[in-house]
Amino acid sequence: DIQMTQSPSSLAASVGDRVTITCRASQSISNYLNWYQQKPGEAPKLLIYRASSLQSGVPSRFSGSGSAGDFTLTISSLQPEDFATYYCQQSYSSPTFGQGTKVEIK
Amino acid sequence: EVQLVESGGGLVQPGGSLRLSCAASGITVSSNFMTWVRQAPGEGLEWVSVIYDDGDIYYGDSVKGRFTISRDNSKNTLYLQMNSLRAEDTAVYYCARRSQPSGSFDIWGQGTMVTVSS
Repeated sequence: DIQMTQSPSSLAASVGDRVTITCRASQSISNYLNWYQQKPGEAPKLLIYRASSLQSGVPSRFSGSGSAGDFTLTISSLQPEDFATYYCQQSYSSPTFGQGTKVEIK
Repeated sequence: EVQLVESGGGLVQPGGSLRLSCAASGITVSSNFMTWVRQAPGEGLEWVSVIYDDGDIYYGDSVKGRFTISRDNSKNTLYLQMNSLRAEDTAVYYCARRSQPSGSFDIWGQGTMVTVSS
């Protein structure tokens, strides 16, 4: 299985901050990388697919980049509703997820 | 409106069985790649199984030989039959649509909790 490693595991940030989360694959996955947001008690929500494509209805402050083995999710200006846990997921082979990054209020 | 609604979760003893259901509306289960994803309490996400539109089926290593995914086209419903349950199967189980060609999970249900305990 392809291992996905996110960093950091958690971070504290303030409203308005620029936030970057990194995801690294154990082998090249081309651009088969997706990002999700999950709030407590809710199902995950797709934000970004194929590394950099914004899912319909997702605010433009979210963006993704990267290819091969290294990817980033950026929130350009953190909003109160963005405090959540974020997961990356590879869809190059049998799906696997990163361990999650919890974004907390500073 | 597109909606996936899971049901069938509950408390079951180790070694027992349970069948989860996922009723779909707004999408046709048989025309999509439908999956189960689970999340143990306080943990991350784990892919469990997928059934393709052509009927091909795949499982994660941790459930292979114990879980069976299926669908009823007439009811537009996805199922997960879980046998020989273990404590480590305790989780919220989500059904989700796997969008192609990206392979992302773009539609999710609200989840159903399965607790395996004596």
